[in-house]
Amino acid sequence: EAGVAQSPRYKIIEKRQSVAFWCNPISGHATLYWYQQILGQGPKLLIQFQNNGVVDDSQLPKDRFSAERLKGVDSTLKIQPAKLEDSAVYLCASSSRDSSLAQYFGPGTRLTVL
Amino acid sequence: SQQGEEDPQALSIQEGENATMNCSYKTSINNLQWYRQNSGRGLVHLILIRSNEREKHSGRLRVTLDTSKKSSSLLITASRAADTASYFCATDSFLPSGSARQLTFGSGTQLTVLP
Repeated sequence: EAGVAQSPRYKIIEKRQSVAFWCNPISGHATLYWYQQILGQGPKLLIQFQNNGVVDDSQLPKDRFSAERLKGVDSTLKIQPAKLEDSAVYLCASSSRDSSLAQYFGPGTRLTVL
Repeated sequence: SQQGEEDPQALSIQEGENATMNCSYKTSINNLQWYRQNSGRGLVHLILIRSNEREKHSGRLRVTLDTSKKSSSLLITASRAADTASYFCATDSFLPSGSARQLTFGSGTQLTVLP
């Protein structure tokens, strides 16, 4: 079974630029999550999709972050414009249902904002 | 916000020793999960314990849950150098709206197993 795929693995941008991350979950997994992990901290949930609908985006900074999951499969997370404090690892995860079950994580995208 | 808090923040032991990590949380939960993260990698699910369970085993892992104290512990027996990683507890609870569930991670314990 293929795992969760993410790209790119690394990205360096200047502040005020825009950036996009892509995630392809495990085949058949209905729920997809985007997390932000700042160095030395645990992952923080940004947005949760069930199929192609948003379940929770209460911690997503909507003035600069956006995410979509078209056709209920892969997803993109965009930051526009980026700030220095957005430097973090962005992790995508998927599960077959909800957090009553294990989540499977991708390798993450390490973003550095200069 | 991070609900779970792990203790200790860092732990260094010799290969073959047991490692114990603790997690405390604040609100009621449906289940509690433990994940491992190797440096520069994504998280790997280790074990899930439901709120009506008190203890669970998986290989060299033993997890306990005390909902009255809102705490959990992860024991790794006979540790190996390959167990060196960060370990996170994560609590599954309902969103305030009650419409869905979310997983909230703690800040993690960095375990170093010396050969």
